[in-house]
Amino acid sequence: EVQLVETGGGLVQPGRSLKLSCVASGFTFNNYWMSWTRQAPGKGLEWVASITNSGGSTYYPDSVKGRFTISRDNAQNTLYLQMNSLRSEDTATYYCTRRDYGRPFAYWGQGTLVTVSS
Amino acid sequence: DVVLTQTPPTLSATIGQSVSISCRSSQSLLHSNGNTYLNWLLQRPGQPPQLLIYLVSRLESGVPNRFSGSGSGTDFTLKISGVEAEDLGVYYCVQSTHANTFGAGTKLELK
Repeated sequence: EVQLVETGGGLVQPGRSLKLSCVASGFTFNNYWMSWTRQAPGKGLEWVASITNSGGSTYYPDSVKGRFTISRDNAQNTLYLQMNSLRSEDTATYYCTRRDYGRPFAYWGQGTLVTVSS
Repeated sequence: DVVLTQTPPTLSATIGQSVSISCRSSQSLLHSNGNTYLNWLLQRPGQPPQLLIYLVSRLESGVPNRFSGSGSGTDFTLKISGVEAEDLGVYYCVQSTHANTFGAGTKLELK
């Protein structure tokens, strides 16, 4: 069974940094692209970052480019999201997702809540 | 950037009623490889989203066949043929032809 478990969320001040982790199990992690997607409280979904299975290429929307960095450790079956220069508008639940070919949002973790506030 | 416009934003239905949700894209979602990467998700309250439909019309494993997807190019539709109580929640279309973009969501409520 595919499992994705996110950790690392919490309360952080504006301008500070936070690193999220997602531990994957139940599948061969290094065979799949992975992504982060977020959801602000009471709002819709926003794609945040994607990374190829090898980690060699990464992709971001303009809203986080230059501030967020997605990475992975295939030996540890773990996906990361380093978030720098955090803003109040980054407050959201952050979900880890597995990107299957043709089914890019087939598997989701339960999410971890990040609150950016002074 | 691709914008997905979902209508209606809210849908009230009775159990057993058939309903449709529209998702319109600001540009064609037909990829150069011939696939159209348009998917539909359902998010029940307090839960992460779940995939219902991928590649416009393919039913995800385990999803009831009362759900169906159709469309091409820029216009897509999700149909529920006979709403059941477990179908309540927010429906999102999402495209992955040009990066990834989500629609704003359609909330399905009981009338």
